[in-house]
Amino acid sequence: DTEVTQTPKHLVMGMTNKKSLKCEQHMGHRAMYWYKQKAKKPPELMFVYSYEKLSINESVPSRFSPECPNSSLLNLHLHALQPEDSALYLCASSQVLTGVQPQHFGDGTRLSIL
Amino acid sequence: DAKTTQPTSMDCAEGRAANLPCNHSTISGNEYVYWYRQIHSQGPQYIIHGLKNNETNEMASLIITEDRKSSTLILPHATLRDTAVYYCIVRAPNSNSGYALNFGKGTSLLVTP
Repeated sequence: DTEVTQTPKHLVMGMTNKKSLKCEQHMGHRAMYWYKQKAKKPPELMFVYSYEKLSINESVPSRFSPECPNSSLLNLHLHALQPEDSALYLCASSQVLTGVQPQHFGDGTRLSIL
Repeated sequence: DAKTTQPTSMDCAEGRAANLPCNHSTISGNEYVYWYRQIHSQGPQYIIHGLKNNETNEMASLIITEDRKSSTLILPHATLRDTAVYYCIVRAPNSNSGYALNFGKGTSLLVTP
């Protein structure tokens, strides 16, 4: 079991749809992350939030829009996605942005774009 | 961050120790070694980390060589549920890029009955 909860586990959407991915943690962590993982590839960092502020955007297209409403929640809003955006989207959290303590991951949302 | 090199795949018999090597010959003094694993259809799971001393927890042991240029993750009694991709990651926690986890390709460990 993971202490980072992601919903939904699976999502199928068309290219014109708008949907959101949700991530929640109750470990008191102040840094939260979104990663994208394509099949048979390692996870790649997309966004980093620190104390609810966006700290890092790894040149992600604007059709992905992150949001951190409070210290426990992280959302990823999706709009006008492309088929190549189909992937596993992982959320992670850590105590602080830079520190020895590790990041902890959720089990991801598997996204399919039709 | 220092680059790591791991074997692409390894096999281990159930009940035996699994020893997963990692080479990080360009590691800097402030960089830690972290190990994660990813079981199929799950998110990466943190296993253990260390700086220079050997470390042990309920999941595994981490042996770091004295020159810190390589390390070995040891699963003392492998089970079928340990079949996963294991990632060795070098990270400088207190640096400007300390947030970054560069996963690399990892080692695919297959535990067989």
